[in-house]
Amino acid sequence: DAKTTQPNSMESNEEEPVHLPCNHSTISGTDYIHWYRQLPSQGPEYVIHGLTSNVNNRMASLAIAEDRKSSTLILHRATLRDAAVYYCILRAIMNYGGSQGNLIFGKGTKLSVKP
Amino acid sequence: DTEVTQTPKHLVMGMTNKKSLKCEQHMGHRAMYWYKQKAKKPPELMFVYSYEKLSINESVPSRFSPECPNSSLLNLHLHALQPEDSALYLCASSRIGRGPRGGNTIYFGEGSWLTVV
Repeated sequence: DAKTTQPNSMESNEEEPVHLPCNHSTISGTDYIHWYRQLPSQGPEYVIHGLTSNVNNRMASLAIAEDRKSSTLILHRATLRDAAVYYCILRAIMNYGGSQGNLIFGKGTKLSVKP
Repeated sequence: DTEVTQTPKHLVMGMTNKKSLKCEQHMGHRAMYWYKQKAKKPPELMFVYSYEKLSINESVPSRFSPECPNSSLLNLHLHALQPEDSALYLCASSRIGRGPRGGNTIYFGEGSWLTVV
């Protein structure tokens, strides 16, 4: 699986936007960019995913570089509840039953939100 | 709220005990997963079941024995564990194949905290 690189930690102030970067220079054409987050003492939860175009949903926005070698997760107004570890994961959606397509977590970015 | 339910939430077991972790989902998903997560580390994939058949075993020691009795249930049988096996065990499920916009969301339970003494 292609690797991703994220900062170990970031800080944000409440009510301000947060931009979480992810580098994935070895991304392949079949890799989707997924973001999951894990709040303290909970299982990971899906945030957003994309392939080439920028994506928006109720939780966040995903900005994907034109060459797809990096992406940025954008939280438009951080709240205290957004304090979590954010994982950027490349995932090839191919035939199930093989190692491709499974969610392999990197180290992630620990986001702290200050009131 | 998660739609993947794991029991028990906490388990303490001795090294000679046999215990099981249970996972249930009713979303009609045909792929189910076990992950292990140590403190301050990312989750690590252990097993993948597709259509109730074991498709991936990430070189997990045999003291961990998964079982998928039907499409809604996933068990992890534990026997002769070591203290270093103490961790959060996460169950997850997903549909098989492409979902909306090519994605395929994996849904996680809240995990079972295991302590081996």
